[in-house]
Amino acid sequence: GENVEQHPSTLSVQEGDSAVIKCTYSDSASNYFPWYKQELGKRPQLIIDIRSNVGEKKDQRIAVTLNKTAKHFSLHITETQPEDSAVYFCAANLRAGSYQLTFGKGTKLSVIP
Amino acid sequence: GAVVSQHPSWVICKSGTSVKIECRSLDFQATTMFWYRQFPKQSLMLMATSNEGSKATYEQGVEKDKFLINHASLTLSTLTVTSAHPEDSSFYICSAILAGGPDTQYFGPGTRLTVL
Repeated sequence: GENVEQHPSTLSVQEGDSAVIKCTYSDSASNYFPWYKQELGKRPQLIIDIRSNVGEKKDQRIAVTLNKTAKHFSLHITETQPEDSAVYFCAANLRAGSYQLTFGKGTKLSVIP
Repeated sequence: GAVVSQHPSWVICKSGTSVKIECRSLDFQATTMFWYRQFPKQSLMLMATSNEGSKATYEQGVEKDKFLINHASLTLSTLTVTSAHPEDSSFYICSAILAGGPDTQYFGPGTRLTVL
């Protein structure tokens, strides 16, 4: 089955700096890669996703890049703010067309004011 | 749009009892719902895939007789933890996909289960 590795497990940045979280996946058939933000005790919220037919997607301060050849994708947050502090999870679907997701272990991002 | 609710938000029960958790899509129909379990400071682990009108598909290692799933309508799926034990204490989260829509999963707020 699909295996998703996520790094780093914790990340501290100064407010205003950029944060980058990286994930690798094992199954080349995967074609959907969402990123979720989860605050303590709350539901995961989709912040951005990318499909294998594009290499980059951006939404204001958040961007995701995908390298299909290397089977890795990254989340980039620019101009970080304290409210960006949360746990971020990457995920990949099991195979093309599958709705089932495998999640990475998560990255705890702390933005220091 | 795409709001998913769960009930209850938290529950405490005695060991050996059963607990039912409801997952509802409030403003859309969902042919497919998923049930996850999340232990403290860990990732989401998929337990089962619930399809309306058919039997759930369980992930390896998840006991189908212990975690009963029913998806009787396009807006409701239920998870029943039978004969709960302390090791079943966890955060249970459901998600749903819009019927006929893209594969984006919308998550419920989760249910905190504590088994004494």
